[in-house]
Amino acid sequence: EPEVTQTPSHQVTQMGQEVILRCVPISNHLYFYWYRQILGQKVEFLVSFYNNEISEKSEIFDDQFSVERPDGSNFTLKIRSTKLEDSAMYFCASTPRAFAVSNYGYTFGSGTRLTVV
Amino acid sequence: DAKTTQPPSMDCAEGRAANLPCNHSTISGNEYVYWYRQIHSQGPQYIIHGLKNNETNEMASLIITEDRKSSTLILPHATLRDTAVYYCIVITPQGGKLIFGQGTELSVKP
Repeated sequence: EPEVTQTPSHQVTQMGQEVILRCVPISNHLYFYWYRQILGQKVEFLVSFYNNEISEKSEIFDDQFSVERPDGSNFTLKIRSTKLEDSAMYFCASTPRAFAVSNYGYTFGSGTRLTVV
Repeated sequence: DAKTTQPPSMDCAEGRAANLPCNHSTISGNEYVYWYRQIHSQGPQYIIHGLKNNETNEMASLIITEDRKSSTLILPHATLRDTAVYYCIVITPQGGKLIFGQGTELSVKP
């Protein structure tokens, strides 16, 4: 079964540093997403991306965050100046087309655990 | 998207059926019911979805009431590996973001 791949699995960074989280969505998928989950809390939507542009973003996704699909295969989330409260699991997800047409819904990656110290 | 209500936790004996309820009394006519699960901080995993008919796949069955105001996810023979948080989510065919609630924490016990 095709997978969404995320790297690194765990990243530790100092407060104020920039981090880039990487995702390789499933190859024929067209819609891409980032979610985050702070320890012990629920999974929260950050941003959706389609046709090389952001289609929707949450209040969490402020100017510190950006997304990019630099080369047609990778999908990245950049946090410009990390804060302690950015510590969380970050999940990438993708879907092939109009959501409910897919028999598999979203496919999520296994996540990147970001720790800001 | 419509809001869902799930019990915060449930226990189930290994080998028995696990029946996880979900209320979605404000669901719209074109909204689907999706179930996902998350095993110990892994990425959420798709289980099953439906509109109004009951559905079954290799993982589970989904029973949707005739008025569509509630549904039940059934794991027919729960194993220890089914211990996870289960999320019931309603969403329109146009898709977009998934909104996760707190879900039901299912503990399968030997």
